[in-house]
Amino acid sequence: DTEVTQTPKHLVMGMTNKKSLKCEQHMGHRAMYWYKQKAKKPPELMFVYSYEKLSINESVPSRFSPECPNSSLLNLHLHALQPEDSALYLCASSQRGDDEAFFGQGTRLTVV
Amino acid sequence: QKEVEQDPGPLSVPEGAIVSLNCTYSNSAFQYFMWYRQYSRKGPELLMYTYSSGNKEDGRFTAQVDKSSKYISLFIRDSQPSDSATYLCAMSDLAGNQFYFGTGTSLTVIP
Repeated sequence: DTEVTQTPKHLVMGMTNKKSLKCEQHMGHRAMYWYKQKAKKPPELMFVYSYEKLSINESVPSRFSPECPNSSLLNLHLHALQPEDSALYLCASSQRGDDEAFFGQGTRLTVV
Repeated sequence: QKEVEQDPGPLSVPEGAIVSLNCTYSNSAFQYFMWYRQYSRKGPELLMYTYSSGNKEDGRFTAQVDKSSKYISLFIRDSQPSDSATYLCAMSDLAGNQFYFGTGTSLTVIP
């Protein structure tokens, strides 16, 4: 099983809404990632969790708040987003953090 | 200079052709190399993962790493229309915890 599951697949939210993106993997991977991908661009790293601790925050605005409740789950809490935050949000995981990463199918977020 | 350089294309080839996709990098600390295929509006799918210099083959796909030249390649033999996608190279160093992506190459295989 090399599956990373992300929910929801699509999300439309207003600028005053609060919503959460969810990511789940059952491969026993100890590193989990959030990426943001705009059209025709490569994924941009947002956050890295290593052994359930936040190890990298790539200067992401505070309106994005990650959470790692346990080793299988990763959430991204969204609040007061801007239209320019509309993008594909990808979750990924890897066994150690320096080996191959597996991506979920992403959540396509539209902020209106 | 970007950490990873990749020609964005677009690349268009006839069905059955051999496709060569390439990335160069500047950081000699990179040790792990990956190729991803991404269909439109989908997440990246891991195709190949290599650690050392040399070739790794999986079906129609061959990944090649030349650490001395800081150059990696992905070859697709007998290309199919279903191979039409964007191909992203990615790499990481021994410290881990971060992957550096190329910009992606858009490939179209024409029937």
